[in-house]
Amino acid sequence: DAKTTQPPSMDCAEGRAANLPCNHSTISGNEYVYWYRQIHSQGPQYIIHGLKNNETNEMASLIITEDRKSSTLILPHATLRDTAVYYCIVRVALNSNSGYALNFGKGTSLLVTP
Amino acid sequence: DAGVIQSPRHEVTEMGQEVTLRCKPISGHNSLFWYRQTMMRGLELLIYFNNNVPIDDSGMPEDRFSAKMPNASFSTLKIQPSEPRDSAVYFCASSGQGGHEQYFGPGTRLTVT
Repeated sequence: DAKTTQPPSMDCAEGRAANLPCNHSTISGNEYVYWYRQIHSQGPQYIIHGLKNNETNEMASLIITEDRKSSTLILPHATLRDTAVYYCIVRVALNSNSGYALNFGKGTSLLVTP
Repeated sequence: DAGVIQSPRHEVTEMGQEVTLRCKPISGHNSLFWYRQTMMRGLELLIYFNNNVPIDDSGMPEDRFSAKMPNASFSTLKIQPSEPRDSAVYFCASSGQGGHEQYFGPGTRLTVT
């Protein structure tokens, strides 16, 4: 699996957009970019994933550069409840019969301030 | 659905005792994962099952650790004998066939004294 690089920590003011970068310069053509987050004392939570195109769901947007070597997770209007560790994971999606395993790195600790 | 259920939520035991952690995946999911989280090592995958069969157990630290999945709705992670360095939060997660999302349980906080 491709290695990812994320800043260890970031701050964001409540109500502003939080833009979390991730570098994955060795990504392969069949590898997806996944984002998870972990709020203190809880299990990790899936946010979004993408292969080539930008993606948006009710939680966030994922912007992947054209060369796929980096991506940005965008929380459009951060709230205090978005304070968490955010993990960017690059992983090939195995066939539908074998699931997939996630390798979490250290992630980015996002602090949303009032 | 109640989500992934883990029990117990907290476990305190003495060194040398056997510890059994339990997990009930989301109904209909066919992949199950056991992770361990510590401050030093972060989140580590221990083992994962697909259709009740262990696919990759390379993350299991040593022979003191064993995991079973006797049916699609239940899995256990056993540590025997337990050691203080096994103290961690253990998470169970499940995913559906073809799904990209893993759903995590609330974790079991294990303390070995």
